[in-house]
Amino acid sequence: DSGVTQTPKHLITATGQRVTLRCSPRSGDLSVYWYQQSLDQGLQFLIQYYNGEERAKGNILERFSAQQFPDLHSELNLSSLELGDSALYFCASSVGTIGSGEQFFGPGTRLTVL
Amino acid sequence: AQKVTQAQTEISVVEKEDVTLDCVYETRDTTYYLFWYKQPPSGELVFLIRRNSFDEQNEISGRYSWNFQKSTSSFNFTITASQVVDSAVYFCALSEGGGTASKLTFGTGTRLQVTL
Repeated sequence: DSGVTQTPKHLITATGQRVTLRCSPRSGDLSVYWYQQSLDQGLQFLIQYYNGEERAKGNILERFSAQQFPDLHSELNLSSLELGDSALYFCASSVGTIGSGEQFFGPGTRLTVL
Repeated sequence: AQKVTQAQTEISVVEKEDVTLDCVYETRDTTYYLFWYKQPPSGELVFLIRRNSFDEQNEISGRYSWNFQKSTSSFNFTITASQVVDSAVYFCALSEGGGTASKLTFGTGTRLQVTL
């Protein structure tokens, strides 16, 4: 158990809908990262927050947005869902922001868009 | 831009065989960090090891060992006397240090199948 929690574990929805994925980092970790794992794209970095502020953006679609709240939990919002958004979404956390810190991953949320 | 290549898509071995998973990386930074993660069939990503670019010492942890060579930009992972429980997808990843963001760039993963 990494200490990172993600809810829900599974999510099934229809095209055009909007969903929210939630992540709670390990106690003491200030950075939260979101990654998408799909068969065709592999594991891709989406976005990073540190202590409530956005720090880095990867290949995140405009239909996707995220935020980190004062209690450090984070939410990833996916809207106007398409079939291709079906993937495993991971949240990870680390103590700081520099590259030396290992990131601990949550169990993931499996999103299926029908 | 940083890149990680894991050329081996899938490896099958018989239990007790040794197996090496290859990882080649590209980065322009002089300070960077390399990682290996394991993804068992249950799906979670499990951290295995971190190495920084200034430390080329090889590391051994039980049946696992890692060979980091800057000259060839490689960070290979060897499992000695493999076991069925080692069956998983293994990812090599790179993070560039020194900045205020530390995203991981992952390779495409190597699926290891260990059979009896």
